[in-house]
Amino acid sequence: QVQLQESGPGLVKPSETLSLTCTVSGGSISSYYWSWIRQPPGKGLEWIGYIYYSGSTNYNPSLKSRVTISVDTSKNQFSLKLSSVTAADTAVYYCARQKGDPDPNWFDPWGQGTLVTVSS
Amino acid sequence: DIQMTQSPSSLSASVGDRVTITCRASQGISNSLAWYQQKPGKAPKLLLYAASRLESGVPSRFSGSGSGTDYTLTISSLQPEDFATYYCQQYYSTPPTFGQGTKLEIK
Repeated sequence: QVQLQESGPGLVKPSETLSLTCTVSGGSISSYYWSWIRQPPGKGLEWIGYIYYSGSTNYNPSLKSRVTISVDTSKNQFSLKLSSVTAADTAVYYCARQKGDPDPNWFDPWGQGTLVTVSS
Repeated sequence: DIQMTQSPSSLSASVGDRVTITCRASQGISNSLAWYQQKPGKAPKLLLYAASRLESGVPSRFSGSGSGTDYTLTISSLQPEDFATYYCQQYYSTPPTFGQGTKLEIK
């Protein structure tokens, strides 16, 4: 059974870069799309972007200028970098898998999520 | 982007009730719709995909229907563990987008 686990700093200063890693266990990172999704406290879900195991990416236009997602297939990990963060980027960040059929579809499974707070 | 609008935003119901949540897309999405359940402090859990296909392990009291722009999630007989927030998500086009959520509370 595939499991995902987010890791990274829980506190980031304004204007700095948020960096998170998602480790995939119980299965290979190959042949799937891997996404980052966030949820501000008490609010709804926002898709940030995905990376295909081959390395191709697609980002939400609302965040595209600040987002980079990368993959390390040798470690079964993918990562998120979000630059120039502000308090509005404070959220629980989830990683999740999407199957391609052939296009990416629903999200399953999800990581447990990690809260990142942007504050000085 | 395709906008997803859920109604109602919140709902009070009792154990044993039948409840329906609606999700409307700003354009047709050809049944490319998933439903999730989220409990406080937890990640969303996939319930249905392709508008009406039940994810493995999800109780049969959950069902989905719809077409075009309008979709529904129905819980036939509410159980105590069903009180949570429910989200719809379209995957017809990128970026995938979510509804704002429907919070199902105990009456």
